[in-house]
Amino acid sequence: EDKVVQSPLSLVVHEGDTVTLNCSYEVTNFRSLLWYKQEKKAPTFLFMLTSSGIEKKSGRLSSILDKKELFSILNITATQTGDSAVYLCAPRKDFGNEKLTFGTGTRLTIIP
Amino acid sequence: DSGVTQTPKHLITATGQRVTLRCSPRSGDLSVYWYQQSLDQGLQFLIHYYNGEERAKGNILERFSAQQFPDLHSELNLSSLELGDSALYFCASSVGNAGELFFGEGSRLTVL
Repeated sequence: EDKVVQSPLSLVVHEGDTVTLNCSYEVTNFRSLLWYKQEKKAPTFLFMLTSSGIEKKSGRLSSILDKKELFSILNITATQTGDSAVYLCAPRKDFGNEKLTFGTGTRLTIIP
Repeated sequence: DSGVTQTPKHLITATGQRVTLRCSPRSGDLSVYWYQQSLDQGLQFLIHYYNGEERAKGNILERFSAQQFPDLHSELNLSSLELGDSALYFCASSVGNAGELFFGEGSRLTVL
């Protein structure tokens, strides 16, 4: 049975702080890992990671994948109130069995 | 705008009734995924279709069924509705399994 565990479940920090969100997974036929941000409505895409050790960056957000230890982290530096959201990760599997399971997410709250 | 269209946006119905939720994927996307998100819960994978063929099933109730049509739009049918079926139902599409998922805005179902 595939497993996706995100930690922490909830995080409250002050504006300007740096946060690290964790996603560990156990899936067969792993292909890539997706990160999403969900505010009030539909999740929006952040990153797709395929290779170990290669950091992807987008502004103040960055993410890296460790395929040996089966985890990924999402870093947000200089946090802003607009970063308040639930952050979700999902490992994608090889074609043929695409039961795409999301983790329960980390709820991030940024205090002004 | 993700390019994924879901209708209706809101639906209120009574227990025991049947509803159909519709999803039009982005142009060119062959994969459609359905997710259920209850209040303050994570995204629960229901089912995945690729080019008209069912590819994977999650914990989808027997009262629920789905299909993907030749024009690639998909429908999720929910029957014998119960109060616990009240949730936000998301559809997402992707080209295949190699890229990110694009989510629709969801259909909010309320069962009274």
